[in-house]
Amino acid sequence: GAGVSQTPSNKVTEKGKYVELRCDPISGHTALYWYRQSLGQGPEFLIYFQGTGAADDSGLPNDRFFAVRPEGSVSTLKIQRTERGDSAVYLCASSLNRESWNEQFFGPGTRLTVL
Amino acid sequence: KQEVTQIPAALSVPEGENLVLNCSFTDSAIYNLQWFRQDPGKGLTSLLLIQSSQREQTSGRLNASLDKSSGRSTLYIAASQPGDSATYLCAVQTGGGNKLTFGTGTQLKVEL
Repeated sequence: GAGVSQTPSNKVTEKGKYVELRCDPISGHTALYWYRQSLGQGPEFLIYFQGTGAADDSGLPNDRFFAVRPEGSVSTLKIQRTERGDSAVYLCASSLNRESWNEQFFGPGTRLTVL
Repeated sequence: KQEVTQIPAALSVPEGENLVLNCSFTDSAIYNLQWFRQDPGKGLTSLLLIQSSQREQTSGRLNASLDKSSGRSTLYIAASQPGDSATYLCAVQTGGGNKLTFGTGTQLKVEL
């Protein structure tokens, strides 16, 4: 595709449920990033993949959050036992490779609401 | 820990006015700085990327400058238009990883 795509665009769930959020990066981009944006705030880093491996997961808030990228393309962010505080927009970005001069291109985000 | 601050938090200007948005960061050891635009309920659109070795970048009516030593960047928008209304975010990539650290944004409204 032409850009980064994310599904679903909106997800409403109940407290305690499990959710999966999907990201399709730009074709050929080896680096993939997940960020979380709360209302009125800038995005906050969660995790970064280079290829299939998580190169930096220092932003994951706790062990309820997990992400995978098994084939080095599509990534899934998984949240277990969701809490109301997890409500936010989850943004995915990709860049050509890990080089420092690469722009990150963002998807439209998934708005997660935990009731 | 890198911290990014954007001033002002909100700005309202009449159409046609030139304006400057400010971004400051606490750790000057950055690889690059990106300016983004975010429309309500939408994702981020990359506007300009400045490498640490560069001092400015231009795209159309937009000009971004970078003073790494003082930890500052400005985004200059010339001849503003109502379509420029959006939230503008700056983000820096700091050594030790590829993650971006974002400011909280400046919400711009350009009025007719």
